[in-house]
Amino acid sequence: QLQLQESGPGLVKPSETLSLNCTVSGGFISDRYSYWGWIRQPPGKGLEWIGTVYYSGSTSYYSPSLKSRITLSVDTSKNQFSLRLISVTAADTAVYYCARQVTTADAFDFWGQGTMVSVSS
Amino acid sequence: QSVLTQPPSVSGAPGQRVTISCTGSSSNIGAGYNVHWYQHLPGTAPKLLIYGNNNRPSGVPDRFSGSKSGTSASLAITGLRAEDEADYYCQSYGGSLSGYVFGPGTKVTVL
Repeated sequence: QLQLQESGPGLVKPSETLSLNCTVSGGFISDRYSYWGWIRQPPGKGLEWIGTVYYSGSTSYYSPSLKSRITLSVDTSKNQFSLRLISVTAADTAVYYCARQVTTADAFDFWGQGTMVSVSS
Repeated sequence: QSVLTQPPSVSGAPGQRVTISCTGSSSNIGAGYNVHWYQHLPGTAPKLLIYGNNNRPSGVPDRFSGSKSGTSASLAITGLRAEDEADYYCQSYGGSLSGYVFGPGTKVTVL
């Protein structure tokens, strides 16, 4: 059974950079039928897609509203992918989820438990 | 503000049938993109309920079903149970201008 686990700081200061990792176990991040994505949920709000990346790094899709601030990367040696969000504000406070997105249907079928990130000084 | 619209809440008594609508446009659902549905309980990971409009992943009870027509999709829950109380989200693709989009979510309450 595929499992994903987010890790990273729970508190980031305004204007700084939010960095999260997602470690995949029970499968390979280099699986050619899998994309890897990030989704977030601000307190009291709904789910928001952030971006999706292929293991080779050759293909990535970013939310248009966040595109200028996001970088997604993959480290196949660690079976891990990462999110980097620069110039954060309080509006970036959210639970951040990583998930697998199957290429055949575009659905997110396996999710991490989520990690809460607060942006505050 | 999401490009997909869902009712904020629906409710039903145990054993009843409820439906949740997800309304989009010709730029997303109406363009032929798949619709997927997720169940989300607070403090847990969202769970994929329906993929590709009307397919259930292994382990999802057949009480859950999905359909799609035109620019809209629906999730139906039959034989409502207390454990079905959760938030439900639809998801589709909005093309390069929107990317992958989620609906605002619908809270299901079992009376």
